[in-house]
Amino acid sequence: QVQLVQSGAEVKKPGASVKVSCKASGYTFTSYGISWVRQAPGQGLEWMGWISAYNGNTNYAQKLQGRVTMTTDTSTSTAYMELRSLRSDDTAVYYCARSFGAFDIWGQGTMVTVSS
Amino acid sequence: DIQLTQSPSFLSASVGDRVTITCRASQGISSYLAWYQQKPGKAPKLLIYAASTLQSGVPSRFSGSGSGTEFTLTISSLQPEDFATYYCQQLNSYPRFTFGPGTKVDIK
Repeated sequence: QVQLVQSGAEVKKPGASVKVSCKASGYTFTSYGISWVRQAPGQGLEWMGWISAYNGNTNYAQKLQGRVTMTTDTSTSTAYMELRSLRSDDTAVYYCARSFGAFDIWGQGTMVTVSS
Repeated sequence: DIQLTQSPSFLSASVGDRVTITCRASQGISSYLAWYQQKPGKAPKLLIYAASTLQSGVPSRFSGSGSGTEFTLTISSLQPEDFATYYCQQLNSYPRFTFGPGTKVDIK
């Protein structure tokens, strides 16, 4: 079946970096984009950025420009999201989602906790 | 960037009620709007895209309407499994997306 499986929970110190993976299966990876969305505890959904799995083109949310990098590895059908210079307000659940326009398939989420 | 507002932020309803949630965009987005349902501890689930197209497998009690700047999500007869938070999302500025702040539907 079509699914996205994300890497496990992470605990990081302020100033560190985190890299979350999202492995796709059940569909042609390069036919869709992948978006990343995060959700701080008790808060709403925040779109972080998008990457084309076809050609690697990216588009990032303005507030994260310079701190986030999204990549893909088409040989393993895996997308990655790296966030640098972590702060306490980056504590959130991070989701990847298949984007055909709307986001029809979501990963299970990865909890990233930033704490000293 | 296009901003989305939702109303109400919270609503209390009973099983069997008809529920309507409104999403407004800061500028016209044609029909490039999607709706999602999220339950606690779970990933969001796509309900409707292109403002009114029901995603495969979603019950027909869910419907969407609108275009331009005003959109609605309607649940014709609220079921126990529908108590959740609902988000709208604009897709007009693809591949830059925005979510609304959410509407929590709770049990009266």
